[in-house]
Amino acid sequence: KAGVTQTPRYLIKTRGQQVTLSCSPISGHRSVSWYQQTPGQGLQFLFEYFSETQRNKGNFPGRFSGRQFSNSRSEMNVSTLELGDSALYLCASDRVAGANVLTFGAGSRLTVL
Amino acid sequence: KNEVEQSPQNLTAQEGEFITINCSYSVGISALHWLQQHPGGGIVSLFMLSSGKKKHGRLIATINIQEKHSSLHITASHPRDSAVYICAVSGSARQLTFGSGTQLTVLP
Repeated sequence: KAGVTQTPRYLIKTRGQQVTLSCSPISGHRSVSWYQQTPGQGLQFLFEYFSETQRNKGNFPGRFSGRQFSNSRSEMNVSTLELGDSALYLCASDRVAGANVLTFGAGSRLTVL
Repeated sequence: KNEVEQSPQNLTAQEGEFITINCSYSVGISALHWLQQHPGGGIVSLFMLSSGKKKHGRLIATINIQEKHSSLHITASHPRDSAVYICAVSGSARQLTFGSGTQLTVLP
């Protein structure tokens, strides 16, 4: 069965722009969580969605937002990009909410110039 | 102090050696996860455990809830085991908090 698909895989933006990243979970998985990975801070939890509802949010500014659609696909958006937003953004899916057995996507690598 | 501490940060071993990576955490948890990340970024979930011990092939993970400590062991290590190993815990909020990772290099 298909894995977790993230698009785009690579993108370059400039400061002040906004970006939208997409995550398609494994079929049948209803939970999608998002993570940011940087060399300085490592992996950090962004948010989790289940059945179109945000269940948890990490300690990130309001510029980071997300949503989940009825088909469980999720998008995250970062507005007013800053240099420090350059990172690998990973999503993971699970059948149910609550960080059980996660399947990760390959990630979207964002570079902000 | 970070909630999740891993040691060592870097580890180089010869093929065939027995490897141990340690993880200590400071908060109550509902589960602990061991993840593997290869160059390029892809992450694979190796284990999720809340008590005792789990084994999958050459990998063994243990957890001691009272001591707030977990270990990941690799028996008969192989160069293909070279990766970053990350410990993560989920608490009452069920969101993951990650350790900084252990870079493992296994030399042939």
